[in-house]
Amino acid sequence: NAGVMQNPRHLVRRRGQEARLRCSPMKGHSHVYWYRQLPEEGLKFMVYLQKENIIDESGMPKERFSAEFPKEGPSILRIQQVVRGDSAAYFCASSPLPRFANEKLFFGSGTQLSVL
Amino acid sequence: GQNIDQPTEMTATEGAIVQINCTYQTSGFNGLFWYQQHAGEAPTFLSYNVLDGLEEKGRFSSFLSRSKGYSYLLLKELQMKDSASYLCAVRNDRGSTLGRLYFGRGTQLTVWP
Repeated sequence: NAGVMQNPRHLVRRRGQEARLRCSPMKGHSHVYWYRQLPEEGLKFMVYLQKENIIDESGMPKERFSAEFPKEGPSILRIQQVVRGDSAAYFCASSPLPRFANEKLFFGSGTQLSVL
Repeated sequence: GQNIDQPTEMTATEGAIVQINCTYQTSGFNGLFWYQQHAGEAPTFLSYNVLDGLEEKGRFSSFLSRSKGYSYLLLKELQMKDSASYLCAVRNDRGSTLGRLYFGRGTQLTVWP
């Protein structure tokens, strides 16, 4: 029973390139959250998705960042024209329908993005 | 908005007891979570409180006072493997953010032999 799978674990990009981060939620989970963690800072919410729907993207920068969760396949966080400030650990979390208050999030091991 | 505060660092010795505090100010409170995160790894769930009082689970306990906006995580009989970052997170279900967690910066606990 695999947990939340993220790949790649480490991603190195040069400024101006594109970064694609993938997340496969736990089996049976249809809700995905993306968080970003900068050094010495807490996890910051970016976007919340259900299958084929973006529910809340209030934490995502307006430009260069996009996310999707297609009917088939993993959720993708896409960063275009990366800059050094995008260097961070990006975590994906999943849950079943978060109807109940004690429904916890299950996190993946994250993707460490380094922009040279 | 949300504001969650916890100490940046704490140290303790093996076998001791340590209490990690967390204070929060939030609208739409719907529960408080504690997660443990080892360096380079995924945060893993430790505890959940939504009602006032103490929840005990083995060596770990968590306490909540909603009127004071305050929680603590209590770790007993510390072991070296408990060295990690401990994340306090508040759940807010207001509007469309169902299930969304707001995290503090984390408390880095170092356990010495």
